[in-house]
Amino acid sequence: AQTVTQSQPEMSVQEAETVTLSCTYDTSESDYYLFWYKQPPSRQMILVIRQEAYKQQNATENRFSVNFQKAAKSFSLKISDSQLGDAAMYFCAYRSGGGADGLTFGKGTHLIIQP
Amino acid sequence: DTAVSQTPKYLVTQMGNDKSIKCEQNLGHDTMYWYKQDSKKFLKIMFSYNNKELIINETVPNRFSPKSPDKAHLNLHINSLELGDSAVYFCASSQGVAGRTEQYFGPGTRLTVT
Repeated sequence: AQTVTQSQPEMSVQEAETVTLSCTYDTSESDYYLFWYKQPPSRQMILVIRQEAYKQQNATENRFSVNFQKAAKSFSLKISDSQLGDAAMYFCAYRSGGGADGLTFGKGTHLIIQP
Repeated sequence: DTAVSQTPKYLVTQMGNDKSIKCEQNLGHDTMYWYKQDSKKFLKIMFSYNNKELIINETVPNRFSPKSPDKAHLNLHINSLELGDSAVYFCASSQGVAGRTEQYFGPGTRLTVT
């Protein structure tokens, strides 16, 4: 079974600075997808970014980018120019290429933005 | 406008009761899911339906029974509620079951069992 580990229960960053959230995963599959979801206090789950395992290029969405290290099974999220609205729980998630297992989530990192 | 909606958003009930949570999506998706988020914020897949057929059924007590009357709806019925069932339940939907498909989540239903 796949597992996803987020080793930072909480992170704090000053507004406008850069923060990196860590995620590692364990799988024996070669076809899979990785995701970062954001859950603000409203509790709505919002997809931040997605990475296909077969792509070497790291995904980027505006201020959000990932560092995907396939051999190390590492998938970190970098948030540049942090804004107050970035404060939320961030979940790393894994899904098999076939999708049959649904999303497997890490335990989350609570991100605090200091004004 | 709401893509994935759940009713109710909050549910407070007593142990032993039976309750249902409803989910509807207007995205035209063919696959729907139920996830449970416990008090420590851990999210876990419970069920998934594709074209009204059950395709994922994780180790969940059989007091939980999903029902999909059509592709746009996936309801969750819970019998004989227990204190440990207190959690936030999220419905989600996607087009297809392939791993790359984005899942759209509902707002969640906070269930409190007293």
